[in-house]
Amino acid sequence: NAGVMQNPRHLVRRRGQEARLRCSPMKGHSHVYWYRQLPEEGLKFMVYLQKENIIDESGMPKERFSAEFPKEGPSILRIQQVVRGDSAAYFCASSPPGQYTQYFGPGTRLTVL
Amino acid sequence: GQQLNQSPQSMFIQEGEDVSMNCTSSSIFNTWLWYKQEPGEGPVLLIALYKAGELTSNGRLTAQFGITRKDSFLNISASIPSDVGIYFCAGGDNNAGNMLTFGGGTRLMVKP
Repeated sequence: NAGVMQNPRHLVRRRGQEARLRCSPMKGHSHVYWYRQLPEEGLKFMVYLQKENIIDESGMPKERFSAEFPKEGPSILRIQQVVRGDSAAYFCASSPPGQYTQYFGPGTRLTVL
Repeated sequence: GQQLNQSPQSMFIQEGEDVSMNCTSSSIFNTWLWYKQEPGEGPVLLIALYKAGELTSNGRLTAQFGITRKDSFLNISASIPSDVGIYFCAGGDNNAGNMLTFGGGTRLMVKP
């Protein structure tokens, strides 16, 4: 059973460009969570999604950030018009229905030049 | 919102020493999880605890779900250099759906 997959592992963007981060949950997991981690800091919750639904987006910045988890395909975290402050590691985690245990992917490290 | 206080923030120990870290909360949790994150990688689940008072081991790691349901402890015995990393606790409760609350992490450094 493959683990949580994230791609790309590293992404470099210039200020003003768009960043798209992809996450494929573990097989059988219908819940996806996105977290952001700055260097030397902890995990900051961003958004919790189930298939075709955003359950909680209380940690998402109100502007430029969006997330989706379509019926088919991976979950996407999209950052429009990136700024240097968006540089961070973005982690996706998934869990099966009704369980708290989350399994993390390897992360995408975003660098904004 | 809920908060988890994880301590210590960092530890620098000699190889072979035992390590203890803990998380405390003002709220009750139904589940406690412990993760380890190595540089450049995502957090990896170490131990999951589901009942108050539960004591669970995974090799040299032992974790306990506090009887009050407001705290949890992780112990590492006979540390080795590959134990280096950041250890995160996380708590889950029914009021937050499937979401977890994470502690700030304990950074462990082991001197050979």
